[in-house]
Amino acid sequence: KAGVTQTPRYLIKTRGQQVTLSCSPISGHRSVSWYQQTPGQGLQFLFEYFSETQRNKGNFPGRFSGRQFSNSRSEMNVSTLELGDSALYLCASSLSDSPLHFGNGTRLTVT
Amino acid sequence: DAKTTQPNSMESNEEEPVHLPCNHSTISGTDYIHWYRQLPSQGPEYVIHGLTSNVNNRMASLAIAEDRKSSTLILHRATLRDAAVYYCILRRGTSYGKLTFGQGTILTVHP
Repeated sequence: KAGVTQTPRYLIKTRGQQVTLSCSPISGHRSVSWYQQTPGQGLQFLFEYFSETQRNKGNFPGRFSGRQFSNSRSEMNVSTLELGDSALYLCASSLSDSPLHFGNGTRLTVT
Repeated sequence: DAKTTQPNSMESNEEEPVHLPCNHSTISGTDYIHWYRQLPSQGPEYVIHGLTSNVNNRMASLAIAEDRKSSTLILHRATLRDAAVYYCILRRGTSYGKLTFGQGTILTVHP
């Protein structure tokens, strides 16, 4: 069974631009969660989608948004990028309340 | 969310058992104790979880104190591949894909 796939693996953007990251969950998983990992703040929850609806949301500004498609694939978007948005963005999928399966992340660098 | 406390770092020798402690004195009755680990350059990986009773799986064992205010992840024979950051997380049934990660314990395994 294929794991969680995140694309792209690496991304370099300029301050003020926007970016879209993609996540393909494990087949059959309907829950997709997004996390941000930085050296200073560690792993922080961004939001979770289940059956195309946002089910949980973390404490991030509105510049961070996401969506989920009918095939459970998910995208997250960050608008008006700031230097502090440089981080590893991780996606995880699960069967409702089962353990999470994480991808290896997209490393975003904002210059 | 209830908080967990773990040592910042621990060291072990290869093929020896490792006991990773976690304190969670404010745990509620509906909180499950989850352990994840993150190997270098990878996303977190689920290790084990439990509610009240001790649990075993192919990766590790989880020993839960009778009052549930602490738990210990046991790796029976550490290998170099077990070197990782280990996170102890309390997960409420309604939190679904939202996990609150602490700083975790950095485990170093010496050959």
